[in-house]
Amino acid sequence: GNSVTQMEGPVTLSEEAFLTINCTYTATGYPSLFWYVQYPGEGLQLLLKATKADDKGSNKGFEATYRKETTSFHLEKGSVQVSDSAVYFCALPTASGGSYIPTFGRGTSLIVHP
Amino acid sequence: NAGVTQTPKFQVLKTGQSMTLQCAQDMNHNSMYWYRQDPGMGLRLIYYSASEGTTDKGEVPNGYNVSRLNKREFSLRLESAAPSQTSVYFCASSETGEVHEQYFGPGTRLTVT
Repeated sequence: GNSVTQMEGPVTLSEEAFLTINCTYTATGYPSLFWYVQYPGEGLQLLLKATKADDKGSNKGFEATYRKETTSFHLEKGSVQVSDSAVYFCALPTASGGSYIPTFGRGTSLIVHP
Repeated sequence: NAGVTQTPKFQVLKTGQSMTLQCAQDMNHNSMYWYRQDPGMGLRLIYYSASEGTTDKGEVPNGYNVSRLNKREFSLRLESAAPSQTSVYFCASSETGEVHEQYFGPGTRLTVT
């Protein structure tokens, strides 16, 4: 079945540092890929997505490129802010009985210090 | 536009008590989901409903039941709560199809003593 592997956290950075959070996947075919963000005390919300190979998703200064050659969808940001401190989840859909169920990675916690 | 709403926000139960977590969405989505989130375990799917009138088990269904009351509402019931069910519970909804993202509620923090 489909699966997602994310780098372990926490990732601790100083403000304005460059961020990379690695995500690799195993899937049948070329599913859509998603990054969600969870701020403290809240539910998850979509950060960005890519629906086909070589697509780049972007939002709020974050980017991720769908690379089928390396089965990866790494999240990057050029200059992080304290407000980016959150947990980040990589996800992809898995077909199940005619519908699609998201498969989530375990999440990577990001802590940004001033 | 409220999105996905959940009630209650917090709940404390004693072992053996029952309760129902309520979830509603106003986006006319077909699919709805219940997850639990525990430290170090990520999100685990309890049950989902691909459309009104259908429900299916997820990864961790034991100890839970669900009801898809109508297209808007999807409730999760704990018949006899156990300390192992202490967790944060999230409801989510989505359009049908693999390109569609999920929309999450704010969560219910449940403690079973």
